Order: sequence, then C-alpha cells, then structure tokens
Amino acid sequence: AQTVTQSQPEMSVQEAETVTLSCTYDTSESDYYLFWYKQPPSRQMILVIRQEAYKQQNATENRFSVNFQKAAKSFSLKISDSQLGDAAMYFCAWDTDKLIFGTGTRLQVFP
Amino acid sequence: NAGVTQTPKFRVLKTGQSMTLLCAQDMNHEYMYWYRQDPGMGLRLIHYSVGEGTTAKGEVPDGYNVSRLKKQNFLLGLESAAPSQTSVYFCASTQGWGVNQPQHFGDGTRLSIL
Repeated sequence: AQTVTQSQPEMSVQEAETVTLSCTYDTSESDYYLFWYKQPPSRQMILVIRQEAYKQQNATENRFSVNFQKAAKSFSLKISDSQLGDAAMYFCAWDTDKLIFGTGTRLQVFP
Repeated sequence: NAGVTQTPKFRVLKTGQSMTLLCAQDMNHEYMYWYRQDPGMGLRLIHYSVGEGTTAKGEVPDGYNVSRLKKQNFLLGLESAAPSQTSVYFCASTQGWGVNQPQHFGDGTRLSIL
C-alpha cells in the first residue's frame, strides 16, 4: 500500500527560529510529486511547496524549503524565521494521479 | 474568481436521512475530488472524477455516491447518513496531474450526523 507518514503529531517553535517537519512515504513508483499543504484554523488547504521526484534539487519558496531524499523516501519541510502566522496543521502529500495525505503535524509558534 | 465553492458549509442530519453536497469549480478543471477529514487522520479520498461523466472510487467510498454530469460540478451524495459519516468534507479540483497542477481546495463542509 502507498502510505505517507508524519511521525510528529505536534511541534512547536519560537518566533524567528527554524523548525523542520518530517514526512516519509512508501511507494514503488519512480515518477511522482510531493507537496506540503498548510491548514490554518480557517480550514483552508493552502499549498506551501511542491517537489518533483525526478529533480534532485530541493524546492524552495521564500522561508519554506524541503529536504528531499528520494532513496530514503523522505520529504521534510523546513520553515525558517518562523512567524506567528505559520501556526497551523501541515500535511505532507504524495501524488501519482491522486493525492495521498499524511495525518498532519500541528505547528505552534510562540512569541 | 471563486475557485472551488462548496455548498453547504454546515449541515446537521439525523441518522438515515439523505443529502447531497455540491462542489462547483470555475477553472475549467478536468479532475475533481471529494475527501473527508477526521481528527488525527488527515484527508482521505472518497471518490474522484477525471472528466465529465466519469467517476471512480477512492480510499473510503462506502456509503457515498457521486455524479459528474457537468464538468464544473461534482456532487457527493449520502443515501442513508450514519454517525460514522460525521466529518469535514473537502472538494478539490485540478487541471491534470503533476507538480504544476496542484489541487485547489474548497473551504470544506462540516457535516454532523446525530
């Protein structure tokens, strides 16, 4: 079965610090895509960052970057200079023709 | 530009009642999806559609039916609601598959079955 595992149910970080959220997945596919979505209390699902599996270079979007290790099937999200508005649930998702989501990590940001 | 619109936003049903959730997208997307989100379980795919007139089962299809009679609309039906179907339901759409085709989500429907 194709699965996505987020082993950290909750994480916390102080404002302006850096935090890394973990994600691993299990697949026999060679061509796929990976995403991180943010879900604030408003329930909206907001795309944070995306990665193509065939690209070695790690994706970066402003303060958000990923550490993609294809052989290890690992796709972690690093948030630099954390802000109060980063507090949310974060979901890792793996995509062939449909998204498979992890169970999420709740991120708290303390001033 | 509305994106993906879900109707209704909240609903309370009694066990055994039926209802239909409507998802409408104005982006001319081919693919549409219905998910449910339960505490501690992330989003799980119920049914999806790869084009007008097509539907397919996802991870948790039992107790639900769907229809895609028009490209812009994807309906999710509960024929006989059960308390286990209490959840938050999300609709999403995308033009295709790939990193440049991320799914666009609606704001969710909170459904409670008493």
